[in-house]
Amino acid sequence: DTEVTQTPKHLVMGMTNKKSLKCEQHMGHRAMYWYKQKAKKPPELMFVYSYEKLSINESVPSRFSPECPNSSLLNLHLHALQPEDSALYLCASSPPFAVEETQYFGPGTRLLVL
Amino acid sequence: AQSVTQLDSHVSVSEGTPVLLRCNYSSSYSPSLFWYVQHPNKGLQLLLKYTSAATLVKGINGFEAEFKKSETSFHLTKPSAHMSDAAEYFCVVTPAGGTSYGKLTFGQGTILTVHP
Repeated sequence: DTEVTQTPKHLVMGMTNKKSLKCEQHMGHRAMYWYKQKAKKPPELMFVYSYEKLSINESVPSRFSPECPNSSLLNLHLHALQPEDSALYLCASSPPFAVEETQYFGPGTRLLVL
Repeated sequence: AQSVTQLDSHVSVSEGTPVLLRCNYSSSYSPSLFWYVQHPNKGLQLLLKYTSAATLVKGINGFEAEFKKSETSFHLTKPSAHMSDAAEYFCVVTPAGGTSYGKLTFGQGTILTVHP
């Protein structure tokens, strides 16, 4: 099973709302990732968690707040977003310290900020 | 430092004809290389990966890619295109080890159109 699930599939929020994106995997992977993808562009890395600890933050604005409650679950908390934050948000997971570092992606959450 | 260049932003083929999507890379370390496919409004699906074993890598849905170190290339091919192959394809490189663990470097993507 190489499945990463993400909820919700679609999300519309206002600039004053607080919402959360959820990502789950049951492959025993201990590294999990958040990416942001704008239309016609490749994904951009936002955060990396390794063994439930934040290991990489790519200078993401504080209105995005990641959380890794356990080894299977990754959340992205959203607050006071801007319209330019509208994008596809992808979650991925990988086995840690594997030579090939294959990342498996979820289907994404399409976010629209009004 | 590493980088990936996908040489064509758009490729158009007829159904049943061969597909060639070109990718060149540069990497300071021995790289791992991947091709991912993204259908419209979907996530990325792993097509195949190269990790310093066989230089000809076979993937899903009839795709394959050949790692050529001398040419720093990792082109994706398929003998016969199917309508369902229409999607965006990303060539991706990552160092096998090093301090950049977890950081994939993506090419800009190639949109494949398949005509009936």
